[in-house]
Amino acid sequence: DAKTTQPPSMDCAEGRAANLPCNHSTISGNEYVYWYRQIHSQGPQYIIHGLKNNETNEMASLIITEDRKSSTLILPHATLRDTAVYYCIVRPDSSSGTYKYIFGTGTRLKVLA
Amino acid sequence: DSGVTQTPKHLITATGQRVTLRCSPRSGDLSVYWYQQSLDQGLQFLIHYYNGEERAKGNILERFSAQQFPDLHSELNLSSLELGDSALYFCASSVELSANYGYTFGSGTRLTVV
Repeated sequence: DAKTTQPPSMDCAEGRAANLPCNHSTISGNEYVYWYRQIHSQGPQYIIHGLKNNETNEMASLIITEDRKSSTLILPHATLRDTAVYYCIVRPDSSSGTYKYIFGTGTRLKVLA
Repeated sequence: DSGVTQTPKHLITATGQRVTLRCSPRSGDLSVYWYQQSLDQGLQFLIHYYNGEERAKGNILERFSAQQFPDLHSELNLSSLELGDSALYFCASSVELSANYGYTFGSGTRLTVV
């Protein structure tokens, strides 16, 4: 059911920007892109979400292409604590009556010292 | 501490048994979601409750059931347990029905069936 494609793993040097790509070529006009991460076996943590505009918060930036078929999550200065599995999820807005998130297999990001 | 409380944190039980997992959502959150994560597997959506009412169902087995009580806590009941039910079970909560601003997950219950 996952509508997104992510690379299975990536490495990033500590202090550098981590750019995690996500392909969602079948996204519809009312579907949002959400990013979560899961550190080890902890509960997933919400990071950011967006519809068509780029978004930034204290954790990360989300860049969505103009055609909305792909996006990139950017962690500007990765630390060892950012080592986690990152999930990109496409979810319809609430007007569709669907409220569940479908998680794919995500990208396992390893931040290297 | 995310504000979502799950108990117990760990549970070991035998095949054929029944267990109950409990979730207390963040204060003020009306929605509770349950997910299952088997070893090296992704998160599988099980069920969603909003203010006591079931709103969406995923790949939840018939041996599993859930409910949300008037005080908004939720319980996930797993019966006739099999080895394959060993997994992490997460609940998450959100304020509104749509969860447009994301869920908050608890730290999970690790169930081991032996």
